Amino acid sequence: GAVVSQHPSRVICKSGTSVKIECRSLDFQATTMFWYRQFPKKSLMLMATSNEGSKATYEQGVEKDKFLINHASLTLSTLTVTSAHPEDSSFYICSARPPASGTTYEQYFGPGTRLTVT
Amino acid sequence: DAKTTQPPSMDCAEGRAANLPCNHSTISGNEYVYWYRQIHSQGPQYIIHGLKNNETNEMASLIITEDRKSSTLILPHATLRDTAVYYCIVRPRSGNTPLVFGKGTRLSVIA
Repeated sequence: GAVVSQHPSRVICKSGTSVKIECRSLDFQATTMFWYRQFPKKSLMLMATSNEGSKATYEQGVEKDKFLINHASLTLSTLTVTSAHPEDSSFYICSARPPASGTTYEQYFGPGTRLTVT
Repeated sequence: DAKTTQPPSMDCAEGRAANLPCNHSTISGNEYVYWYRQIHSQGPQYIIHGLKNNETNEMASLIITEDRKSSTLILPHATLRDTAVYYCIVRPRSGNTPLVFGKGTRLSVIA
């Protein structure tokens, strides 16, 4: 299947600082990428949908000024957590969908980034 | 909101078939049934999907009832590495609708 990478895999930052997480589709171009967040022992919660070249669409309750998403190319989307607080500590997972090929519409997921804010 | 209902947990003996049920009684005609799994601290992994016919691939089999209101994911010979949370998701095949995850079933494969 298609490969999606994330960097970094884990990061620790101090409260009040900003952290950038990168998501790359390695072997396909993705016009749409998705960002999810997962708290311990909970399911994945969709944060936003990122479309290449346009503004991201955020889910209800997700602060767009706090979670900045940039999808500058067909293979790269970034999530920046601004002014991070301990409650932002979570597992962040990106997902990408290959262009419609007529055979599959599966979403492929990155390995996740564990953010710890101290 | 997730449109599926799954048991919160299941156990399976290693080497045995694992049968994971999913109810999706409100599924509409253009929605597919997708199965993903998430091994601890990793991103979800695609397993299989189907519309109304039974499907099989190298990982699993998917059995969908004739009325499409429920389905069963079958791992024919479970191994310890199959221990994970399994998510059953219904969504339209086309368009950019993202996958919405419910609570899933935590499958524990026991030696």
